[in-house]
Amino acid sequence: DTAVSQTPKYLVTQMGNDKSIKCEQNLGHDTMYWYKQDSKKFLKIMFSYNNKELIINETVPNRFSPKSPDKAHLNLHINSLELGDSAVYFCASSQAGQVRQYFGPGTRLTVT
Amino acid sequence: GIQVEQSPPDLILQEGANSTLRCNFSDSVNNLQWFHQNPWGQLINLFYIPSGTKQNGRLSATTVATERYSLLYISSSQTTDSGVYFCAVERYSGNTPLVFGKGTRLSVIA
Repeated sequence: DTAVSQTPKYLVTQMGNDKSIKCEQNLGHDTMYWYKQDSKKFLKIMFSYNNKELIINETVPNRFSPKSPDKAHLNLHINSLELGDSAVYFCASSQAGQVRQYFGPGTRLTVT
Repeated sequence: GIQVEQSPPDLILQEGANSTLRCNFSDSVNNLQWFHQNPWGQLINLFYIPSGTKQNGRLSATTVATERYSLLYISSSQTTDSGVYFCAVERYSGNTPLVFGKGTRLSVIA
């Protein structure tokens, strides 16, 4: 069973489009995260959600909006895609008191 | 915020050689994880090791929390060990995001 899953794995789209990436975790964790890995392989936090409340937003453009329909899902919606949004996006989850984070397989987004 | 520095940035090894990767961090941490990103982009968790020593097959890791560093040892390297190794830390205990180092890119050649 996959602990943290993401769909799609690859996403190619044109500038200006709106797209969503989905994340699901079956670990019963109460906190989920989105990280972005840029072309230089640097990984940086974008959002984290705890019990459906956004608790951190690291100066991410408001074109990016996380949406959590329930505790097991944290989707990432991106409006008006730009070339610079091309990256690999990783979803992760953790549970209070257990610290360790579990990562999904990543979604490679290419904006042309 | 907390700073994480990894060294070396790049490493080329002959198959069968041993190596040590280092991670220094600028403040006390509650969580430290080592990851391997394989050539297909998957992030594989190797160790959760905020302190102490752990071993898993040919890999082992040691974190000396009081001196703010962690070491990842790879013995008898194989070509499948190639990829990027990341160290990531979390300062607080309340499900806060990980701060990643820039990684060590390892290439193991046959």
